[in-house]
Amino acid sequence: EDKVVQSPLSLVVHEGDTVTLNCSYEVTNFRSLLWYKQEKKAPTFLFMLTSSGIEKKSGRLSSILDKKELFSILNITATQTGDSAIYLCAVRETSGSRLTFGEGTQLTVNP
Amino acid sequence: DGGITQSPKYLFRKEGQNVTLSCEQNLNHDAMYWYRQDPGQGLRLIYYSQIVNDFQKGDIAEGYSVSREKKESFPLTVTSAQKNPTAFYLCASSIDGDLAQYFGAGTRLSVL
Repeated sequence: EDKVVQSPLSLVVHEGDTVTLNCSYEVTNFRSLLWYKQEKKAPTFLFMLTSSGIEKKSGRLSSILDKKELFSILNITATQTGDSAIYLCAVRETSGSRLTFGEGTQLTVNP
Repeated sequence: DGGITQSPKYLFRKEGQNVTLSCEQNLNHDAMYWYRQDPGQGLRLIYYSQIVNDFQKGDIAEGYSVSREKKESFPLTVTSAQKNPTAFYLCASSIDGDLAQYFGAGTRLSVL
């Protein structure tokens, strides 16, 4: 059975801190890993990673994939209160379109 | 505006009742998905459809049913066989199965 594990499950930081969120996975035939941000309702897409070692970056957020060690990290630098959200990691196999999600990391950024 | 619309935002179900959650998209996406989210848990796949008139069970399909008669619409029925329906239900779509999924704003279902 496919498995996606995120850590930590929750994290509280102060504005300006840098955070690293982790996602490890066990899937039979890996195809891609996706990160989403969920504030109150709809998760919004952040990144899709398919190749090891290639960093994807968007503003203060960046992510990288290690297919040998089977994990990905999501970095957020100079955090702001608006970064407070649940961050979800999901993995897709080669055999279809379905995603397997981790439990999510609840990030709280205090002023 | 292009997007995914879920309705209603809040829904209450009486015991023994079937209820239907609506999901409509005007993005011309082929694939659509239904997920359930419980507190402290990630999203779990209920059903998905990669093309009109075809759909597959996800990990927790028991007590649910779907149809995909039109490309734009993928309604989910929560039947009386689903004994623990209280949850947040999210619909998603993707242009094809290989790309990112985009989500609607969700429906929160509670049992009276």
